[in-house]
Amino acid sequence: AQSVTQLDSHVSVSEGTPVLLRCNYSSSYSPSLFWYVQHPNKGLQLLLKYTSAATLVKGINGFEAEFKKSETSFHLTKPSAHMSDAAEYFCVLGSARQLTFGSGTQLTVLP
Amino acid sequence: EAGVAQSPRYKIIEKRQSVAFWCNPISGHATLYWYQQILGQGPKLLIQFQNNGVVDDSQLPKDRFSAERLKGVDSTLKIQPAKLEDSAVYLCASSLPQGAYEQYFGPGTRLTVT
Repeated sequence: AQSVTQLDSHVSVSEGTPVLLRCNYSSSYSPSLFWYVQHPNKGLQLLLKYTSAATLVKGINGFEAEFKKSETSFHLTKPSAHMSDAAEYFCVLGSARQLTFGSGTQLTVLP
Repeated sequence: EAGVAQSPRYKIIEKRQSVAFWCNPISGHATLYWYQQILGQGPKLLIQFQNNGVVDDSQLPKDRFSAERLKGVDSTLKIQPAKLEDSAVYLCASSLPQGAYEQYFGPGTRLTVT
């Protein structure tokens, strides 16, 4: 069975401090993994993707994620949070040409 | 490039009424998806079209939900009759056939059933 688990439903950080959003996956096959971001009243936007190339993936707005097969993880990080990063983030598994979304992590950035 | 368009953006109906949502995908995107996103959850795929044919509708509650994409471009999702648990955001997405994992999402329609 294919599934994605986001370990934190809410994360709060101060502006300028690092961001870590955690994601574990379960997949019978070599997975394709993604992070999407959803700002209030806006559509979901692809942040970055892993499709079996480099294990460290860089995305937009300074975000990156590392695929760790031994830990079945795909955590999202950013060295320094900005107020505009406040949004909901979804870890997503691609399989059979479809996407399976995690339950989401709400990121709050404090001034 | 114009994005995925959806209308209406908001809709409030009473239970047992019917409602329809419209989606116009990005030009040239043959694959179209409808998702349901309940508050506090990730989007769940309801139905996937390739051109005007259904690829997967296994999670569509067919007793009350229907969807069509008659000319292989825009699509309509209908609920009839609506239940309280149908309150959610309905998202439309589109992709190129070879880029099924790179989906472009519309802003969604927020449905409230009272």
